[in-house]
Amino acid sequence: AQSVAQPEDQVNVAEGNPLTVKCTYSVSGNPYLFWYVQYPNRGLQFLLKYITGDNLVKGSYGFEAEFNKSQTSFHLKKPSALVSDSALYFCAVSPLRNTGFQKLVFGTGTRLLVSP
Amino acid sequence: DAGVTQSPTHLIKTRGQQVTLRCSPKSGHDTVSWYQQALGQGPQFIFQYYEEEERQRGNFPDRFSGHQFPNYSSELNVNALLLGDSALYLCASIQSGEIQETQYFGPGTRLLVL
Repeated sequence: AQSVAQPEDQVNVAEGNPLTVKCTYSVSGNPYLFWYVQYPNRGLQFLLKYITGDNLVKGSYGFEAEFNKSQTSFHLKKPSALVSDSALYFCAVSPLRNTGFQKLVFGTGTRLLVSP
Repeated sequence: DAGVTQSPTHLIKTRGQQVTLRCSPKSGHDTVSWYQQALGQGPQFIFQYYEEEERQRGNFPDRFSGHQFPNYSSELNVNALLLGDSALYLCASIQSGEIQETQYFGPGTRLLVL
């Protein structure tokens, strides 16, 4: 069965500093990997995804993530954090399956707190 | 381009009651999935509907049922509500047939069971 681990409940970073939110996964076969962000009292907003190809994926709001197959990781990064990046971040995995049968398995989330 | 919409935004029910939540998918999407997000946890997959049929189901009891209409909108029904059903219920839509799919989520319905 597929699973996702986000080892940090919270990440604290000062504005302007680089940030990393960690994610490791377990899935049979090749995975689809996703990052979503959730602001208070809101649904999930899509940030970026890895399907195939270049291991470095660029997404919305300056975020990027690096797929590392040997370490089964998909860490989210941003070179310079903003206070407005403070939110709850979810990593998700879906096994590569027939089109339309995508089922997301989420991690428990990491709260990012960016201080001014 | 309308995104995924859900109604109602909030709902309060008592144990044993039944509830219906509604979702309209993003324009151009034909597949709808439902997720339950309990407080402090990540979303858990409930089921997915395509062509008006349940296509996949997560580890949820039969008290959770759904429906998809010809216009691709969907309903989630929960019978015999338990306190543990209190959660944010998220609907996500996707277009089948695309190689690189992205599920887009609605704002959610927050259900409180007393």
